[in-house]
Amino acid sequence: GENVEQHPSTLSVQEGDSAVIKCTYSDSASNYFPWYKQELGKRPQLIIDIRSNVGEKKDQRIAVTLNKTAKHFSLHITETQPEDSAVYFCAASSRAAGNKLTFGGGTRVLVKP
Amino acid sequence: NAGVTQTPKFQVLKTGQSMTLQCAQDMNHNSMYWYRQDPGMGLRLIYYSASEGTTDKGEVPNGYNVSRLNKREFSLRLESAAPSQTSVYFCASSELWTANTEAFFGQGTRLTVV
Repeated sequence: GENVEQHPSTLSVQEGDSAVIKCTYSDSASNYFPWYKQELGKRPQLIIDIRSNVGEKKDQRIAVTLNKTAKHFSLHITETQPEDSAVYFCAASSRAAGNKLTFGGGTRVLVKP
Repeated sequence: NAGVTQTPKFQVLKTGQSMTLQCAQDMNHNSMYWYRQDPGMGLRLIYYSASEGTTDKGEVPNGYNVSRLNKREFSLRLESAAPSQTSVYFCASSELWTANTEAFFGQGTRLTVV
């Protein structure tokens, strides 16, 4: 089955700096790569996703890049703000596997004012 | 539009007791999932149902059973609860056959087994 590794497990940045989280996956059939943000005590919520036919996607201060050959994808947050503090999860899935998401272990991001 | 609704939100069980976690979605999604999240860890798939009438084991199925009651509802049953099943349980749903396969999560059930 799919295996997703996520690094780093914790990330502390100064407000205004950039944050980068990296994930690798094992199943070459995976074709959908979402990123979820989870605030304390809340449910995971999708912040951005990318499909395997696209190399990069941006949404305001958030961007995701995908390298299919190397089987890794990254989340980039620019101009970080205190409200970006949360746990971020990457995931991978394929329709052939019923779209079930396999999650990375999560990255706890702390943005210091 | 409620999205994905789970009940109950909190539950305390004694070792050996049984219970069923309920999940319902109103987005007409084909696929539904049950995940558990242990403190400081990621989400691990327990069981999933790619479409009505089918269920499959995920990464950590031992000690659990599921029922896809209809397209809307997907329940998770613990037959004999153990302390190792103390966790937060999330139900999720997504579409299977369209281009938009975003998964939506319920608010979670915090289960403690003593």
